[in-house]
Amino acid sequence: DAKTTQPTSMDCAEGRAANLPCNHSTISGNEYVYWYRQIHSQGPQYIIHGLKNNETNEMASLIITEDRKSSTLILPHATLRDTAVYYCIVRVATSQGNLIFGKGTKLSVKP
Amino acid sequence: DSGVTQTPKHLITATGQRVTLRCSPRSGDLSVYWYQQSLDQGLQFLIQYYNGEERAKGNILERFSAQQFPDLHSELNLSSLELGDSALYFCASSVGSTGSREAFFGQGTRLTVV
Repeated sequence: DAKTTQPTSMDCAEGRAANLPCNHSTISGNEYVYWYRQIHSQGPQYIIHGLKNNETNEMASLIITEDRKSSTLILPHATLRDTAVYYCIVRVATSQGNLIFGKGTKLSVKP
Repeated sequence: DSGVTQTPKHLITATGQRVTLRCSPRSGDLSVYWYQQSLDQGLQFLIQYYNGEERAKGNILERFSAQQFPDLHSELNLSSLELGDSALYFCASSVGSTGSREAFFGQGTRLTVV
């Protein structure tokens, strides 16, 4: 699975959009980009995933660049409850099912 | 609520003891994964079971073992416990055995070894 690089931490004002970047420059054509988050010591929560098209669900939007070397997770209206560590994970659909977590980005949403 | 249930939520035990953590996967999910998260380490994959069979192993110590039962619930057994085994233990489940689908996590068991 390709390696990902994320900023260690980010701040966002409550009510504003939170844009979390992820670099995955060595991604291969059959690797998906997954996003999970972990709110203080709770179990990680699945957010969204995509292959090459942009994706949107009730939680967030995922924007993948055309060359697929980077992506951005967008929380459109961040709330205090979105304060968490966000993990960007790249993996092949046919790979082992376990997730390999890096250090992620600590997002702090401030009032 | 992810649909994955872990019990107990908290466990305090002494060094040298043995404990069992339990996980019930989401309805319809055949894979169960166990992860460990200690203060100085990130989320570490321990082991995966798929439909009762061991499918993949990660950084699981020999003192630890797991199994998945016919009703698909899983148990993680930790024996000869050491202070360093104090951690959060998470269970996750997914439909298949590969990375084709998302996994859903339980709320974890916090183990404290004293």
